[in-house]
Amino acid sequence: QQQVKQSPQSLIVQKGGISIINCAYENTAFDYFPWYQQFPGKGPALLIAIRPDVSEKKEGRFTISFNKSAKQFSLHIMDSQPGDSATYFCAASRVGQFYFGTGTSLTVIP
Amino acid sequence: DTEVTQTPKHLVMGMTNKKSLKCEQHMGHRAMYWYKQKAKKPPELMFVYSYEKLSINESVPSRFSPECPNSSLLNLHLHALQPEDSALYLCASSQGLTRGQETQYFGPGTRLLVL
Repeated sequence: QQQVKQSPQSLIVQKGGISIINCAYENTAFDYFPWYQQFPGKGPALLIAIRPDVSEKKEGRFTISFNKSAKQFSLHIMDSQPGDSATYFCAASRVGQFYFGTGTSLTVIP
Repeated sequence: DTEVTQTPKHLVMGMTNKKSLKCEQHMGHRAMYWYKQKAKKPPELMFVYSYEKLSINESVPSRFSPECPNSSLLNLHLHALQPEDSALYLCASSQGLTRGQETQYFGPGTRLLVL
């Protein structure tokens, strides 16, 4: 059973545009929701993370929106740049148990 | 220093071989993780160690045997693997498992090919 569902599978955005990736979870016991960026041949790198008692968190061009009642959260990348082209994974966690979404391949075209 | 190192970078092994993957961190983290990642798929949690004790085993076949000899080192011993075990094996570490300590730092991974 997929613990975390992620969409879209792939996304193409113009430079300067907004990239939006969505995730949904079922288990209300999860208490930590990170987003990772992964480039080919590299390990995932943490971008930004949120807890369920916060509805929004912003770090630079990256914003997480969290809807606890709907059990959904999303990543917004503002002013998308070609260097943002990578695979993005959402995840949900509790006490060391991490479940990743299926990933979104983002391409930002100049 | 927020680096997690993994060796080797690449490994090719036969189904009867025994090999080991190594992971090291010097951030003073007390939790370490092994993940398996197939191409174009998300990382899948295999094992979690906390304070050098196995905390989580996600029903991983016994042909994978983890070991945490000290707080900085994590090994994954491989024996009698199958071709479907070919994947990128990622190591990660975090301060701990409790609230506020979950931020994970990943290594670059070991790309394993089983022939």
